[in-house]
Amino acid sequence: DTGVSQDPRHKITKRGQNVTFRCDPISEHNRLYWYRQTLGQGPEFLTYFQNEAQLEKSRLLSDRFSAERPKGSFSTLEIQRTEQGDSAMYLCASRMGQVSYEQYFGPGTRLTVT
Amino acid sequence: GESVGLHLPTLSVQEGDNSIINCAYSNSASDYFIWYKQESGKGPQFIIDIRSNMDKRQGQRVTVLLNKTVKHLSLQIAATQPGDSAVYFCAEKNSGGGADGLTFGKGTHLIIQP
Repeated sequence: DTGVSQDPRHKITKRGQNVTFRCDPISEHNRLYWYRQTLGQGPEFLTYFQNEAQLEKSRLLSDRFSAERPKGSFSTLEIQRTEQGDSAMYLCASRMGQVSYEQYFGPGTRLTVT
Repeated sequence: GESVGLHLPTLSVQEGDNSIINCAYSNSASDYFIWYKQESGKGPQFIIDIRSNMDKRQGQRVTVLLNKTVKHLSLQIAATQPGDSAVYFCAEKNSGGGADGLTFGKGTHLIIQP
């Protein structure tokens, strides 16, 4: 257990529905990251926050995806109008800036879009 | 552009032998590399990292070697144990203004034979 928690661990939804995932990072970590991982592939970077500011977005983050970190603590990732291609593991990671580049990953949320 | 890839998708070794997992990268400006271990159903777990101003770094039973001339890094695991069975990813820190995410390779599945 790295100290990063994600909720829910599994989510099954129907195509076209909206889903929201939550990530709680290690409390003193000011940087928070979201990644997507499909079967047999490495994680793909989506976006990251420094405190409450969203500083980087991947081109993978389409208009249907939005992420927030309103108080610089927990973060949410919302996917609107889900598509079958959104089925993947969504991973959250955090780190303490200026100390180490090592990112601590949570267990992930497995999304299945039917 | 950035890309990180692995030479072998699966590596099978005898318990007690040493394992070597290889990784190639294409961005000569990359200045930080990291190895993660991922067990089934879990998020990636940090193993070891290395900055580009180093050629070698050792941890407990693991060593990472970096060859900047040929843009190659490797992970050596000494005296492989059954608990080492997992998928291993190398990753590099994204470069460029404001970039902070990691770019992962596809992974090598390490299988330990009894």
